[in-house]
Amino acid sequence: QSVLTQPASVSGSPGQSITISCTGTTSDIANYLLVSWYQHHPGKAPKLLIYEVTKRPSGVSNRFSGSKSGNTASLTISGLQAEDEADYYCCSHVQSLPFAYVAFGGGTKLTVL
Amino acid sequence: QVQLQESGPGLVKPSETLSLTCTVSGGSISGYYWTWIRQPPGKGLEWVGYIHYNGNTNYSPSLRGRVTTSLDTSKNQFSLRLSSVTAADTAVYYCARPLVGTTTFFEIWGQGTMVIVSS
Repeated sequence: QSVLTQPASVSGSPGQSITISCTGTTSDIANYLLVSWYQHHPGKAPKLLIYEVTKRPSGVSNRFSGSKSGNTASLTISGLQAEDEADYYCCSHVQSLPFAYVAFGGGTKLTVL
Repeated sequence: QVQLQESGPGLVKPSETLSLTCTVSGGSISGYYWTWIRQPPGKGLEWVGYIHYNGNTNYSPSLRGRVTTSLDTSKNQFSLRLSSVTAADTAVYYCARPLVGTTTFFEIWGQGTMVIVSS
């Protein structure tokens, strides 16, 4: 069971916007900016979409945006396109003494209707 | 550009040791936290651990004690060993390189290699 909680699935129509949440605790999201988001099409390598909560790597569409409030991080995809249909994962640094490690959320399947 | 390629046996017997290698091409192995991530069938991504160029390592608390990583700078490779495997270790194993100086922002990924634990 992941320490980061994501909804199992979300859906939206082309052109709409959707938001995927990722809920953690004070051991991770609430106290660190070390949050990232990944897009994963089955059979392919995951792709980094967002890092450091809000930053986009070069080449990632500005339709993808990230934010954080308290212990919840969010990924928003605007102007949904068919190719956005994929699994999405949040990721965070976790400080849970005596360990510091990295955790992924359980993943959210996005369906474009 | 930098590319990563995993290699190793696709089938491992229960209680034996899983060994995988990731070959880094198109760039240097120095300065990064070289990471292993896995995905069991039908499940989500799971961070396994990393090894830094300077030899520092860190592993998932759930795998600590069974996992080790190593670097071979002469071959531009890093490796994963997971001992006493069970069916629960069946997964696609990815090697990944995070942004320089970070441990959590995985910029470059290998294509992944499926490892099945079965007798």
